[in-house]
Amino acid sequence: DTAVSQTPKYLVTQMGNDKSIKCEQNLGHDTMYWYKQDSKKFLKIMFSYNNKELIINETVPNRFSPKSPDKAHLNLHINSLELGDSAVYFCASSQDREDGSPLHFGNGTRLTVT
Amino acid sequence: KQEVTQIPAALSVPEGENLVLNCSFTDSAIYNLQWFRQDPGKGLTSLLLIQSSQREQTSGRLNASLDKSSGRSTLYIAASQPGDSATYLCAVRPYTGNQFYFGTGTSLTVIP
Repeated sequence: DTAVSQTPKYLVTQMGNDKSIKCEQNLGHDTMYWYKQDSKKFLKIMFSYNNKELIINETVPNRFSPKSPDKAHLNLHINSLELGDSAVYFCASSQDREDGSPLHFGNGTRLTVT
Repeated sequence: KQEVTQIPAALSVPEGENLVLNCSFTDSAIYNLQWFRQDPGKGLTSLLLIQSSQREQTSGRLNASLDKSSGRSTLYIAASQPGDSATYLCAVRPYTGNQFYFGTGTSLTVIP
């Protein structure tokens, strides 16, 4: 069973379009994240979300919006796609415990904007 | 703000060598530190998690250490194999906020 799954794996689209990436976790975790990995492989947090709080990285354009229908899902919606949005987007999850818990990743969605 | 740095950025070693990857972080107020492996075009696989109260964790040929006071962690790989070739990333979870901060990664190549 895949713990954190995201779809699609590849997404090619044109500038100006709106697209969504879906993410689901079956680990029972209460916190989910979206990360962006740029061409230099640097991972940068975009959002973290649990049933209490959405934390948005202030550098993320408001064209990006997370949508969580329930605790096991955190989808990423992107409006008016730009060339610079091309990257690999990773969904992840963890349990929000005081002693900290491991971070589990999906396999990523490679977005190419043409 | 927490900053995480990994040195070296790239490393190439002959098969069989033991090697050490380094990770440093600026704020020692962390819950844990986690080491990941990323193969080309793939997601991140968790290797080891060290809680802030621990000094080290071991899994097979891998040993990770944590020195919170100095803001450092090392990942030791014994008897390296070509299959170890990948990018290795470390990440820390601070006490405040609800996110993990990642290092810049070390790209490891093990030459047969």
